[in-house]
Amino acid sequence: DAGVIQSPRHEVTEMGQEVTLRCKPISGHNSLFWYRQTMMRGLELLIYFNNNVPIDDSGMPEDRFSAKMPNASFSTLKIQPSEPRDSAVYFCASSIRDRVGYEQYFGPGTRLTVT
Amino acid sequence: GIQVEQSPPDLILQEGANSTLRCNFSDSVNNLQWFHQNPWGQLINLFYIPSGTKQNGRLSATTVATERYSLLYISSSQTTDSGVYFCAVEQGGANSKLTFGKGITLSVRP
Repeated sequence: DAGVIQSPRHEVTEMGQEVTLRCKPISGHNSLFWYRQTMMRGLELLIYFNNNVPIDDSGMPEDRFSAKMPNASFSTLKIQPSEPRDSAVYFCASSIRDRVGYEQYFGPGTRLTVT
Repeated sequence: GIQVEQSPPDLILQEGANSTLRCNFSDSVNNLQWFHQNPWGQLINLFYIPSGTKQNGRLSATTVATERYSLLYISSSQTTDSGVYFCAVEQGGANSKLTFGKGITLSVRP
């Protein structure tokens, strides 16, 4: 299996621009997670989906952030408009949620820099 | 929510030394994972270990769920073991999620 795939791996953009991050989960996995990692705040869960349905978006920092999962093999995280404080590494992770416990696998991350 | 504490926060080893990393959690869990974040930022699964003991090469892990802790053992450390080690737990339920500790930064010197 190719693992969780994220694109782009690096993104540099100017403040005010729209940013779209993409994720392809591991085939057969039915849960998908978006995380953000910064030095100051560590690893934060932004939102997660079960069977393409958003379950908990309480970690989404503000209305500028939105996430979609139109099908089982694709998800996007969009920031519009972007701000310098959004600079971070954004990780996507997936798992199989067909039992009580599950093992979560992370993608390589997208390093976002907003100038 | 559940609290996850990892210790020590930082660890410096000479290559070849052994080490033990600890994860304490404040409530019962049905999922516990150890991850290694390498210096390039990749988060790599080490163990899925809600209870019991597992071994993978020079690494092994033990979780004592009744006492609410897990240990990660690294033997004969190598410079490639450097990075941050995260413990993450989940309590269960239909929509539960992983809660991560703050991580342990390990530096292995040649």
